[in-house]
Amino acid sequence: QKEVEQNSGPLSVPEGAIASLNCTYSDRGSQSFFWYRQYSGKSPELIMSIYSNGDKEDGRFTAQLNKASQYVSLLIRDSQPSDSATYLCAVKGNQGGKLIFGQGTELSVKP
Amino acid sequence: GAVVSQHPSRVICKSGTSVKIECRSLDFQATTMFWYRQFPKQSLMLMATSNEGSKATYEQGVEKDKFLINHASLTLSTLTVTSAHPEDSSFYICSARDKATYEQYFGPGTRLTVT
Repeated sequence: QKEVEQNSGPLSVPEGAIASLNCTYSDRGSQSFFWYRQYSGKSPELIMSIYSNGDKEDGRFTAQLNKASQYVSLLIRDSQPSDSATYLCAVKGNQGGKLIFGQGTELSVKP
Repeated sequence: GAVVSQHPSRVICKSGTSVKIECRSLDFQATTMFWYRQFPKQSLMLMATSNEGSKATYEQGVEKDKFLINHASLTLSTLTVTSAHPEDSSFYICSARDKATYEQYFGPGTRLTVT
């Protein structure tokens, strides 16, 4: 089992819709969870971090964490074509604070 | 905000040569830097963790004699790909952890092509 799993997609949504991205992780002791956005040929950029169960909202983005289910998600409201990118879920474990990445979900927002 | 730079951004080298990639934290001190590699359509794979003034810790399957990492100061880490081969062609990304805040910031990446 991979440490961090995501659906690779591609996930296609129309402009203005809600995009829902999901991620599961295997290390129950993980404490920190992150969503990164990566455009083709570029380095990842941090969108959201979440550390406790529940929802965390930042503008059009909402991260949700459920530690009991070992599940973290990212919702993007009012999706825009500029949101088209690969979204990487990352989990920080207890071993030296390493960030472990999922394989990423490719999101395409159609005008 | 915190900035991490990498140099060069792109490099093409011949098979058998060595290439050095620099990673610098520009406005913060980084006791720990991480080196990742990303192949096309794949995720970031952690190669090694480097701590200032000590030897790097390599992930399983990463050859420490091929990927030499030096973290000589609180703002600079280098990755040297020795005797490069075409299969080493990849996108190499460093990340630096702020000594004060523990936040982790990514560099812009280095595209290595070995011909």
